[in-house]
Amino acid sequence: KNQVEQSPQSLIILEGKNCTLQCNYTVSPFSNLRWYKQDTGRGPVSLTIMTFSENTKSNGRYTATLDADTKQSSLHITASQLSDSASYICVVSDRGSTLGRLYFGRGTQLTVWP
Amino acid sequence: EADIYQTPRYLVIGTGKKITLECSQTMGHDKMYWYQQDPGMELHLIHYSYGVNSTEKGDLSSESTVSRIRTEHFPLTLESARPSHTSQYLCASSESLPRRSTGTYGYTFGSGTRLTVV
Repeated sequence: KNQVEQSPQSLIILEGKNCTLQCNYTVSPFSNLRWYKQDTGRGPVSLTIMTFSENTKSNGRYTATLDADTKQSSLHITASQLSDSASYICVVSDRGSTLGRLYFGRGTQLTVWP
Repeated sequence: EADIYQTPRYLVIGTGKKITLECSQTMGHDKMYWYQQDPGMELHLIHYSYGVNSTEKGDLSSESTVSRIRTEHFPLTLESARPSHTSQYLCASSESLPRRSTGTYGYTFGSGTRLTVV
């Protein structure tokens, strides 16, 4: 069964600190992995997209890594800000159809305290 | 900035009412999607469309219906709302061709409609 598991479920850090969020998946055949940021009551906004040939991708203070062999990804946030408080969702796409089926994790709820 | 718009943002409605959630995109995307999301849970695909006059049901069974008469417009309708329909509904669209640099399809979400049926 194609699944995407994220950990931790929730995380609280102090402003200025770094943190790392984890994503494990069983989706096959693998096409790409995306990290999204979703503010409360809003739609997800794309942070990074990585194909199987990429093992790291940065977007400002966000750096995603991908190990396609172990089917693991991480999202590292550097020097956190209050505005980073949101849910971070890992999304994996398969290559099985033209639809490019997306499999969603439940997200990690990050709270940044001042 | 997202070029996909959903209205209304919030809706509180009584049981038995008919409602339509609007979704429009200005990117010319052929593929559009509706997802349902409950708090702390993953998004579930309820409807999708490959283009005009094309609609399909997604993985999660839903009593809602959709239509695609114009490329830019993908409304979702509930004929008779019930409290079990209370949820967040997210509309999305994706590029028709893969990006040359990555081979991936760009995917954009709307801001969502938070529906409460009382």
